[in-house]
Amino acid sequence: GAVVSQHPSWVICKSGTSVKIECRSLDFQATTMFWYRQFPKQSLMLMATSNEGSKATYEQGVEKDKFLINHASLTLSTLTVTSAHPEDSSFYICSARGSNARRSPLHFGNGTRLTVT
Amino acid sequence: DAKTTQPNSMESNEEEPVHLPCNHSTISGTDYIHWYRQLPSQGPEYVIHGLTSNVNNRMASLAIAEDRKSSTLILHRATLRDAAVYYCILRPNSGGSNYKLTFGKGTLLTVNP
Repeated sequence: GAVVSQHPSWVICKSGTSVKIECRSLDFQATTMFWYRQFPKQSLMLMATSNEGSKATYEQGVEKDKFLINHASLTLSTLTVTSAHPEDSSFYICSARGSNARRSPLHFGNGTRLTVT
Repeated sequence: DAKTTQPNSMESNEEEPVHLPCNHSTISGTDYIHWYRQLPSQGPEYVIHGLTSNVNNRMASLAIAEDRKSSTLILHRATLRDAAVYYCILRPNSGGSNYKLTFGKGTLLTVNP
């Protein structure tokens, strides 16, 4: 089946630094990728939607200058958390879908656990 | 977006069937019903989806009420590896390839050995 790879699986960084998370679709072309955030014991919250070659669309309340998303190719999207603070510590999950939107479900990466100290 | 309602938690015994209910009384005529599950410390995993007819795949079955206001995910023989949070999500038919999936709180399924 379709595979989405997310890297790194966990990262610890100091407050004020930036962290980049990669999301790759390994065996299909992902025309659309989504980034979610999940706090402990809560559900997934959609942060932004990105289409290859265009600017990401952010959900209300998500700072686009803090969470930089780049979807430069059909197999790679990156999320950069800039000037991270402890409150940004969370589980970040990407998902991707192929071009046939009506028939293809979302495929999710295994998430990145970010801890900001 | 149309909302879904699921029980917060359910419990099952290993090798017994599990019926996970979902209410979606405000579903629109063209919304698809999707089910995903999330194992601990992992990303969600697609389980099954349907529109009007019941659906079967290797993971589960999906029974959709005739009025489409509710559905039930059926795991025919629960295993310990089925312990997860199960999300019932309505996928709007508008939006083309940009349709978004909005996750609710889901049902935490516990499987007892």
